[in-house]
Amino acid sequence: DVKVTQSSRYLVKRTGEKVFLECVQDMDHENMFWYRQDPGLGLRLIYFSYDVKMKEKGDIPEGYSVSREKKERFSLILESASTNQTSMYLCASSDFFTGISTDTQYFGPGTRLTVL
Amino acid sequence: QKEVEQNSGPLSVPEGAIASLNCTYSDRGSQSFFWYRQYSGKSPELIMFIYSNGDKEDGRFTAQLNKASQYVSLLIRDSQPSDSATYLCAVSNSGGYQKVTFGTGTKLQVIP
Repeated sequence: DVKVTQSSRYLVKRTGEKVFLECVQDMDHENMFWYRQDPGLGLRLIYFSYDVKMKEKGDIPEGYSVSREKKERFSLILESASTNQTSMYLCASSDFFTGISTDTQYFGPGTRLTVL
Repeated sequence: QKEVEQNSGPLSVPEGAIASLNCTYSDRGSQSFFWYRQYSGKSPELIMFIYSNGDKEDGRFTAQLNKASQYVSLLIRDSQPSDSATYLCAVSNSGGYQKVTFGTGTKLQVIP
């Protein structure tokens, strides 16, 4: 069964703290993604990675960085958390695009981050 | 113009009725189209995907795609209260890397 896990369901941090969100998938997927989801704005792509040590900026990368040292693990880093980064963060993974791939993304349970 | 547009709802239908959810997209090069369901407080889960023009049926769900009109829809037959959720439309351009754009979702309420 497909499984994507995230390190925390709920997280409360203070402004200026460095925050690490971890995501692990057990499906041997090539692609991994980080989104944030906010009411009225939907899912917005922060960063994605299509291979180990590879990363690409998504639509809203400012204030975030990522790390992918192993295929199964993709970390999102908030270098200096701010209140406007309070959000639901969702990790997803998908198989390598082959031209006939479904492009289906499998999501983790999400981390609700509150920055005070 | 948003890349993927959905009516936010809520769309209310009585139990047993057909729920019709609609989505339009702006990129004519889009290749793959997805419907995800998201229950409150949970993460999205895939219901269906469709590539080709026409209808695709899976149980009570039917996805419809019209590339000429840049329109994709999801029909839910015999709607159940357990179908109450937010439905996200997603579109992939499949151009070199997997760029998937999500709509903001339509909230469906099925009234018992």
